[in-house]
Parts: sequence; C-alpha cells; structure tokens
Amino acid sequence: DAKTTQPTSMDCAEGRAANLPCNHSTISGNEYVYWYRQIHSQGPQYIIHGLKNNETNEMASLIITEDRKSSTLILPHATLRDTAVYYCTTMEYGNKLVFGAGTILRVKS
Amino acid sequence: KAGVTQTPRYLIKTRGQQVTLSCSPISGHRSVSWYQQTPGQGLQFLFEYFSETQRNKGNFPGRFSGRQFSNSRSEMNVSTLELGDSALYLCASRLAGGWSSPMSTDTQYFGPGTRLTVL
Repeated sequence: DAKTTQPTSMDCAEGRAANLPCNHSTISGNEYVYWYRQIHSQGPQYIIHGLKNNETNEMASLIITEDRKSSTLILPHATLRDTAVYYCTTMEYGNKLVFGAGTILRVKS
Repeated sequence: KAGVTQTPRYLIKTRGQQVTLSCSPISGHRSVSWYQQTPGQGLQFLFEYFSETQRNKGNFPGRFSGRQFSNSRSEMNVSTLELGDSALYLCASRLAGGWSSPMSTDTQYFGPGTRLTVL
C-alpha cells in the first residue's frame, strides 16, 4: 500500500513557482523519498530524491520537514511543459517503488 | 547515453494468448524492474531482476513471469491473457554497481512503456 498521500490536483500560473506537497508520515528512517512525473502516459521521469536534507538539482528543489513526515517539491518557474502527474514515492526494501495516485499539476498561461 | 528502451511500444492480443515484452536497460545498469500501470490500480510493482536472478516480486499471479539475460536485458511474459491485463507495462533500470543492497539508493529510470490491449 502507498505510504504517501498527495492532493489530487493543483493549478499553477506559468512562470510562478509550483509547490507540490506530499505526506509520508509512516515512512521509516532509512527510506528515501523520490519524485517522478508522468506526461501523457509516457514512462515516469525521475525528478529528485532525498532522505533528510533539502535537495536541489536543475529541475527542482525538495524540501523535507525535520520530522520527515512530509515534503514539498518546488518547481521554481513552472512552464506549460511541466503539466503532468507528479508522484511522490518511497523506495521499499527490494528496490520496490510504491506509488500513490499522484497530483495532477496544471500549469496555465 | 541512451535511455531505457522497450519493445514493442504497442501490442494488441486476444484473451487466452500469451505475450512477451522486452526491455533494454541503460548501458551499464544491472538491475531491471517491471511495473504495471492501469487506470484503476495505478502503478504497481511486478518484479525486479539483478544478475539474472529475480530478487523481489509483487503481488501478481503466476501468469506473470520474467527473466534477465547476461547482458542485463530483460523480458516479461504474461500467459493466458485476461481482459484485465490491458495496461501500460513499464520497465525501469538502475545502476546497482558492485554489491547491490536491496535498499540501494540507485535511482530507477523508466522506459517509455509497452501499451498492451487485450481484446
């Protein structure tokens, strides 16, 4: 069963930051949080992952709360091409990614 | 570096038939995982292969099987197809260099998927 919960959908204005929250209150201490996105039923695209510290790469930033019960994915300047389903996932023992329903992000001009 | 490739991209079969899907991982990647995606159940883990051995299996019936070859390429097979097997089948590869802990943080990279339709 999914260990993460996310809003069903969110809207964001083009050029503004998109902040996607994720709750993972039951995550264990050594489980990483991974973020993927999926566009038009293509394969999920890796975005970023983290354990305890905040992370940043060329695509996004990941903010993890100190108690690790939730995190936020930040797309700093959303474009229309960022419209997708965003999945917050955890990696279970055995390299099994457990996906929830994800958040549909709609970027609007 | 080329990404994960899957063949075929689209497939139509009838109930009772069997199907084989192929996945070529990113060069140098040694682990391959398979996932099924349906509108009703979402993305679900099928199994993972590393060094030609199945290391983990999801909650799917025995009709779903797979294998991995010495070059890390993987195939999955579904026998006696049912209408409910219609789905997007995704393959993901990861580096798993050297000793691969089951809790490795190697990132999984997904292929484009094979869209299977069962009539």
